[in-house]
Amino acid sequence: QVQLQESGPGLVKPSETLSLTCVVAGYSISSGYYWGWIRQPPGKGLEWIGSIYHSGSTYYSPSLKSRVTISVDTSKNQFSLRLSSVTAADTAVYYCARDPSYAVTYYFDSWGQGTLVTVSS
Amino acid sequence: DIVMTQSPDSLTVSLGERATINCKSSQSVFYSPTNRNHLAWYQQKPGQPPKLIIYWASTREFGVPDRFSGSGSGTDFTLTISSLQAEDVAVYFCQQYYSAPQTFGQGTRVEIK
Repeated sequence: QVQLQESGPGLVKPSETLSLTCVVAGYSISSGYYWGWIRQPPGKGLEWIGSIYHSGSTYYSPSLKSRVTISVDTSKNQFSLRLSSVTAADTAVYYCARDPSYAVTYYFDSWGQGTLVTVSS
Repeated sequence: DIVMTQSPDSLTVSLGERATINCKSSQSVFYSPTNRNHLAWYQQKPGQPPKLIIYWASTREFGVPDRFSGSGSGTDFTLTISSLQAEDVAVYFCQQYYSAPQTFGQGTRVEIK
């Protein structure tokens, strides 16, 4: 059974870069599938940030594309999110999740527990 | 972007009664070459991540009770809980994955009357 776990700072200052890592257990990223980041502002809905294939191919949300970088490290079986120039509007619970597709992005069948990132000085 | 709109925003149902949640997409999410609707449903309980319960509009995820069912095609979809149980109290989201960016509905809160 695949398990995902997010880690990273819970507090980021405005204008700085948010960095999170998702470690995957129970499934080798090298075996395939897309791996995504989704966020949820407190009390609000879900927003897809972007996804990455094990080969490194990425898809980003157009609304965040200029600030987002998602990378993968298959040797550590993990993938990462960087979001630059953050503001209070980026305060949210950030989830990593598995997207069981090989060619195009699909639904998310396994999720991490999520990590709250607050943007504040 | 495809806009997903759910109704109602909240729903209060008695134990054992039927709960019905609607989801409407701003454009069709039916992909003709595969004859599939690219629509999923998630359940999110307080303090937990979303859990996939339905994909391809009507396929139940492994382990999901059969009181949960999905239906619809094109732009109009429904999640039905045939006999509401206490453990079904949650917020439910629909998601389209027909085109990037994947987008979610705003959520429907289901509570017990």
